Formats: sequence, structure tokens, C-alpha cells
Amino acid sequence: EAQVTQNPRYLITVTGKKLTVTCSQNMNHEYMSWYRQDPGLGLRQIYYSMNVEVTDKGDVPEGYKVSRKEKRNFPLILESPSPNQTSLYFCASSLTYGGYNEQFFGPGTRLTVL
Amino acid sequence: SQQGEEDPQALSIQEGENATMNCSYKTSINNLQWYRQNSGRGLVHLILIRSNEREKHSGRLRVTLDTSKKSSSLLITASRAADTASYFCATDRAEYGNKLVFGAGTILRVKS
Repeated sequence: EAQVTQNPRYLITVTGKKLTVTCSQNMNHEYMSWYRQDPGLGLRQIYYSMNVEVTDKGDVPEGYKVSRKEKRNFPLILESPSPNQTSLYFCASSLTYGGYNEQFFGPGTRLTVL
Repeated sequence: SQQGEEDPQALSIQEGENATMNCSYKTSINNLQWYRQNSGRGLVHLILIRSNEREKHSGRLRVTLDTSKKSSSLLITASRAADTASYFCATDRAEYGNKLVFGAGTILRVKS
């Protein structure tokens, strides 16, 4: 089954404790992206990757890191989480960059930073 | 940054009625997509309409695109309680490097 998986689905952590949210897709997609969703602010892009070893900042990259060492995986790293990073996070992938292809979304990771 | 372009922000209708949501944008686009999100879950793609298309259908969904008015509408006919969700439009605008940019969404509630 074609899908995007994220882990963990729920995470409660404390300020400053490094964490990684994993994202994996099995569709051989070139483009992958991370979003955060907050009430009233819609979906905001954090980082994206157009292919292996090619990543770029989205609209709200501060406090986040990413890597794309393999085509299928695109982990999101929070080196020193802060309470303002409490949010619902989504990983997405599509065949290529841009609006020509639909994006497939993971189920989401609900992160709470205390 | 992404700004809410959907209208209305929230819509409440009775089961069986039609629901219409609108999306506006400011600069030219190549494609416009509509997505649905059930509460707290990942977005699911509904329809993609290209800039040279005016209308597309998928089951009970009808999407129109008016590039002269820079707007699109999503019509859900004969709505069901299961259509209760948030609906987002996404556009690939040149001002954002042609990447897909999502609006803030319309919350649709269908009462049974």
C-alpha cells in the first residue's frame, strides 16, 4: 500500500531534550516536505527536499533540522525543543516538486513540549 | 507566508444540502488542488485542476477554476455527515517558487 508513515504519532517531551520525528514513504517520490499545523495559522512549511541530499528552508525553519540521506526517509530533528514548537506535524511527499502532482500526507505527529 | 484564502472560514449545513467553498489567490498559478482533512488527521488529496481547465468532477465533488478572477470553488453535492472535515486549497504560485502553498482552510460541518 502506498503510504507515508511517521513516528511517533504522539510525543510529550521537555524543553531542551533533543528529539527526532521519522518520516518514510514507499512511493519512490523525489519531493518530501514537513509542515506544522497550528489553530488559526493553517499549514506552514518547515523544510522541504527536492531529492536526496537536497534540502531547503520553508516558511518556519527556525529550531528545526532535516536530512535526506535516502530517498525514502526525511527525518525532522528538534535539537533543543521549546514550548512554542508544540504543534501537529505532518510529513508529505509527492512525485516531484511543485503543484503538478498531488501530495501524500502522513498521519501526523502531535508534539507537546513542556 | 501562507495566508487564509478560503472562504468561508466555517460552514454548517444540513445533510443532503450542497456545500460550496471558495478559494482566491493573488498571482498566476499553474495548478490548484483541493484537500480534505478529517479532525487531527493527515490531508487527503481530492482534486487537481490545471490552469487551462475550467471545471473538473469527481463523484459528488465539482471544482471550478476562474483564472480571470483568480478564484476556485469546491462544490460538494448532497452532503453527508461523513463530509464533515476541513477543506484546503493549495496553489503553486510563482511568488513562492512554484511550490505548493496551502490556504488556512474551510471547516465544514454537516449536521444529520
